Amino acid sequence: GAGVSQSPSNKVTEKGKDVELRCDPISGHTALYWYRQSLGQGLEFLIYFQGNSAPDKSGLPSDRFSAERTGGSVSTLTIQRTQQEDSAVYLCASTSPTGGYEQYFGPGTRLTVT
Amino acid sequence: GQQVMQIPQYQHVQEGEDFTTYCNSSTTLSNIQWYKQRPGGHPVFLIQLVKSGEVKKQKRLTFQFGEAKKNSSLHITATQTTDVGTYFCAGPPWAGGTSYGKLTFGQGTILTVHP
Repeated sequence: GAGVSQSPSNKVTEKGKDVELRCDPISGHTALYWYRQSLGQGLEFLIYFQGNSAPDKSGLPSDRFSAERTGGSVSTLTIQRTQQEDSAVYLCASTSPTGGYEQYFGPGTRLTVT
Repeated sequence: GQQVMQIPQYQHVQEGEDFTTYCNSSTTLSNIQWYKQRPGGHPVFLIQLVKSGEVKKQKRLTFQFGEAKKNSSLHITATQTTDVGTYFCAGPPWAGGTSYGKLTFGQGTILTVHP
């Protein structure tokens, strides 16, 4: 079956512009996560959606970052007024409602802010 | 909040040598998961350990979960060039019998293998 998909795969934007990153999780997966990974670094947790519960936004670095998940499926991460330090790979992951919460990652979106 | 530390940060080995990475959590974990990220790729789930003291093997890889469920290790026997990548451990906190879906990831160990 299809895995987690993300679009675009690459995004180059000018400082100050807004960007939207999309994640399409595996069908039937109720939990969805966004992470940020800078070059050679670990995974920085951003936000977590679980079913119809209020999202865990504790990892969002500033109020320029927001995310929504429509219909319990597709999620969009929005970064407003992008800064150069926002340049990173943004990874999305989803998990099944059963099992031990192992996460299935998408290929990521590489964001470059010039 | 929960912290997960991994050591070493980097490991360079000659092909055929063994490799071990260690993972330590500041809090008890309901389970521990390991992921591998190849250069330029995304993290891929390897295995999950749930029971205290559990040991699991996948070919040349051996995974252990500590008795106190706060630490874990991954050992690779006779490394190959295909083992190159970053190995991450991750775990949800244990909270009164309920495990949350949110994982805390270690910073990863970057493994390079020289042929």
